[in-house]
Amino acid sequence: DTAVSQTPKYLVTQMGNDKSIKCEQNLGHDTMYWYKQDSKKFLKIMFSYNNKELIINETVPNRFSPKSPDKAHLNLHINSLELGDSAVYFCASSQEWRGGEQYFGPGTRLTVT
Amino acid sequence: GESVGLHLPTLSVQEGDNSIINCAYSNSASDYFIWYKQESGKGPQFIIDIRSNMDKRQGQRVTVLLNKTVKHLSLQIAATQPGDSAVYFCAETFSGGGADGLTFGKGTHLIIQP
Repeated sequence: DTAVSQTPKYLVTQMGNDKSIKCEQNLGHDTMYWYKQDSKKFLKIMFSYNNKELIINETVPNRFSPKSPDKAHLNLHINSLELGDSAVYFCASSQEWRGGEQYFGPGTRLTVT
Repeated sequence: GESVGLHLPTLSVQEGDNSIINCAYSNSASDYFIWYKQESGKGPQFIIDIRSNMDKRQGQRVTVLLNKTVKHLSLQIAATQPGDSAVYFCAETFSGGGADGLTFGKGTHLIIQP
């Protein structure tokens, strides 16, 4: 069984569009995250979220917003997509709020044309 | 800049040899460190972790060493196999608050030569 899953795996869209990436974890974890991996493979935290708190990396544009319909899901919404948003986006989850092992999803490759 | 970095972007070793991947971190407040392996087209996969109250931890064929004095982390892989070819990332976090999520280094691409 897949622990952390994301859909879609590939997403190609045009500049200015609004898109969402879905993430689900079946590990019963309380905390979920979104990371962005650029073309140089550098991974950077975007959001950390549990049912009490949302931590936003200050470098993330406000066009990005996480939405959690329930504890097992943390979706990523992106408005007015720009070329620079092209990257691989990874969802992750952990049992602990901080300092715990994180389990990553397979990633969503977003290409903005 | 990033608080965690790696010394070598690419490391090539012969199959069966031992590999050592190094990582330097700059945030002295970090108290939890993880090594991840990322294969092409996949998400990072947990290998081993270590907390700051330890200086060595062993897993199956892997050992992580932590030197807090010089803020250095290393991953040793014994008897490397073709399946070990991947990009390896070290990551750090401070469990007491402040930096949230993991801060990743740039990654080292490990290539196993037959």
